[in-house]
Amino acid sequence: DAGVIQSPRHEVTEMGQEVTLRCKPISGHNSLFWYRQTMMRGLELLIYFNNNVPIDDSGMPEDRFSAKMPNASFSTLKIQPSEPRDSAVYFCASSLRGESNSPLHFGNGTRLTVT
Amino acid sequence: GESVGLHLPTLSVQEGDNSIINCAYSNSASDYFIWYKQESGKGPQFIIDIRSNMDKRQGQRVTVLLNKTVKHLSLQIAATQPGDSAVYFCAENWDTGRRALTFGSGTRLQVQP
Repeated sequence: DAGVIQSPRHEVTEMGQEVTLRCKPISGHNSLFWYRQTMMRGLELLIYFNNNVPIDDSGMPEDRFSAKMPNASFSTLKIQPSEPRDSAVYFCASSLRGESNSPLHFGNGTRLTVT
Repeated sequence: GESVGLHLPTLSVQEGDNSIINCAYSNSASDYFIWYKQESGKGPQFIIDIRSNMDKRQGQRVTVLLNKTVKHLSLQIAATQPGDSAVYFCAENWDTGRRALTFGSGTRLQVQP
C-alpha cells in the first residue's frame, strides 16, 4: 500500500500566483480530508469529501481557496490568488467511512511558502 | 523538515523509561479518539484509537486511557526508544455525522539516549 500521496512536496511561489496542491488517497478509501498545519494554529480541517462529494467546507478560510475531487483517486486544493499568510503545510488524509469510525491516514504534506 | 511547533509542551525522558503524554479533549459528546505521532517532515501517523465505550486499549508498547468524566486522554509508551521522539497529537471526533477529526495542539517527546 503506497499510502496517501501528495504533490508537490514543496512549493514556493510569489504572492498573487495560483497554487494547486494534489492528492491521491489510499485505494478503496471513500473519504478524503484536507488539513492545514501552522505553528500558530496547529492542524485545521479545511474541507472533506465523502464519495467524491464535498460534505463540509466550513474550514476553508476564504473564497481564494477551492477544492475538487473529480474521481475517487484524485483531489486538488487550489489557492488563487495566494498570499503570504497562506504559507503552511497542507496535508491530505483519507479514510474508509463506514458505520463506525476509522482513523485518517495522512500523506506527508505539501510545504507551501508564499513570498 | 517542517517544525511542527516551536512552543509545544515538551516531555523529556530517558531511553528505556515509560512515557505518559496527556491530552484534555474539548467536547463531552466526542465518541472516538486517536493518538497520532508526527515526525519532522512527515504527516501524522496513526498510533492507536479508542472508542468512548472503552476506558483502556492496548497496542504494541502503547496504551491509551480514556477518562470521560474529566475529558482526559493519555498515551502511555513503554520502554521509550529514541525512535519515539516526535510530536504526539490527540484527536477527537465530536460529530458522528461529520466524521472529521479535531486535533489538539500536540506534545513534543524527546528521548534522551
